[in-house]
Amino acid sequence: SSELTQDPAVSVALGQTVRITCQGDSLRSYYASWYQQKPGQAPVLVIYGKNNRPSGIPDRFSGSSSGNTASLTITGAQAEDEADYYCNSRDSSGNHLRVFGGGTKLTVL
Amino acid sequence: QVQLQESGPGLVKPSQTLSLTCTVSGGSISSGGYYWSWIRQHPGKGLEWIGYIYYSGSTYYNPSLKSRVTISVDTSKNQFSLKLSSVTAADTAVYYCARHSYGPLGDAFDIWGQGTMVTVSS
Repeated sequence: SSELTQDPAVSVALGQTVRITCQGDSLRSYYASWYQQKPGQAPVLVIYGKNNRPSGIPDRFSGSSSGNTASLTITGAQAEDEADYYCNSRDSSGNHLRVFGGGTKLTVL
Repeated sequence: QVQLQESGPGLVKPSQTLSLTCTVSGGSISSGGYYWSWIRQHPGKGLEWIGYIYYSGSTYYNPSLKSRVTISVDTSKNQFSLKLSSVTAADTAVYYCARHSYGPLGDAFDIWGQGTMVTVSS
């Protein structure tokens, strides 16, 4: 079982805002990173640290954290944002071990 | 820019050892601040972290796989490798290599290979 919990599926209307969450004890101490994966493709980093976007990631993607929950927010979702999203962080022991959330399938309606 | 490319057999027999190599191009594997990682994805499922290695040889493994996994690095070839022993059909997955970056702004798997499908079957 994953130490990071994500909702399996979320939907959003085109142009609206959606928040994808990730829960876990380790998130009280460590930031999550977020990955977008489209069918047949490798994951792509979209958010890391407090709220940092790699070069080339649109600014409609943002991250936040509160307590044991990390969130990825897409403000003004586009059709191309339809994908699976995964969070990652350290495991609850706080050492170098890593764990992924189970993933959230985002559907843009 | 740094790129990663996995290579290795696409078919492995049960009970044998799965061996994959990741070649790093566009940068040195010996650069500090990075852990070189293996991640897998079972068909239709989520991502599973297997483990990673620092260029000096320090390794960290997923406890659920630790007894069967070895990750090694060859700095002269700018490559790192994965060996997974005693495989079963449950090890059938797409295997990705990725760079895990540590920095003042945070850490993340910032560069990924394209992935390689490995099927365990007789």
